[in-house]
Amino acid sequence: DAGVIQSPRHEVTEMGQEVTLRCKPISGHNSLFWYRQTMMRGLELLIYFNNNVPIDDSGMPEDRFSAKMPNASFSTLKIQPSEPRDSAVYFCASSLRHRAEGYTFGSGTRLTVV
Amino acid sequence: KQEVTQIPAALSVPEGENLVLNCSFTDSAIYNLQWFRQDPGKGLTSLLLIQSSQREQTSGRLNASLDKSSGRSTLYIAASQPGDSATYLCVMSRDDKIIFGKGTRLHILP
Repeated sequence: DAGVIQSPRHEVTEMGQEVTLRCKPISGHNSLFWYRQTMMRGLELLIYFNNNVPIDDSGMPEDRFSAKMPNASFSTLKIQPSEPRDSAVYFCASSLRHRAEGYTFGSGTRLTVV
Repeated sequence: KQEVTQIPAALSVPEGENLVLNCSFTDSAIYNLQWFRQDPGKGLTSLLLIQSSQREQTSGRLNASLDKSSGRSTLYIAASQPGDSATYLCVMSRDDKIIFGKGTRLHILP
């Protein structure tokens, strides 16, 4: 298995532009998580899905952020419009049977908004 | 409020030494506890996963223990090597909550 695949690895965009981050979970995993990592706040859970359904999006910072999981093999995290304070590393993780099996993380997308 | 605390925040030790990283959590009703490693600019790599019914897990030079009653987990690294230099994260799962510690930055001196 290729693991959790995120794209792009790096994204540099101008303030106000729309940014879309993509994630392909491990085949067969039924839970998917989006995290954001910054030096100041560490790792924060943004949203997670079980069986493609959003369960908890309380970590999504504001309405500029949205996440979708149209099928079991693909998810997107969109920021529109982007702001410099959104600059961070965004990680996607997946697991089988949330809570029991542990998590596998992607390599992350480093987002820089200038 | 659920919290996961990792001490120390940073640690430098000479190569070859055995060391212990500590993780404490405020609620003993956890589901599992997982240790990750993060290298600069890289993603998270899972090291060890301890289910709530287990007390420890071992992988090579790594050993992780879990004591739910005291709210503590330790990651023991034997015979440390420069390649062990990284940030180590403790992650607690409880119900539908996943809580990360802020990590311990480990530097092994050659």
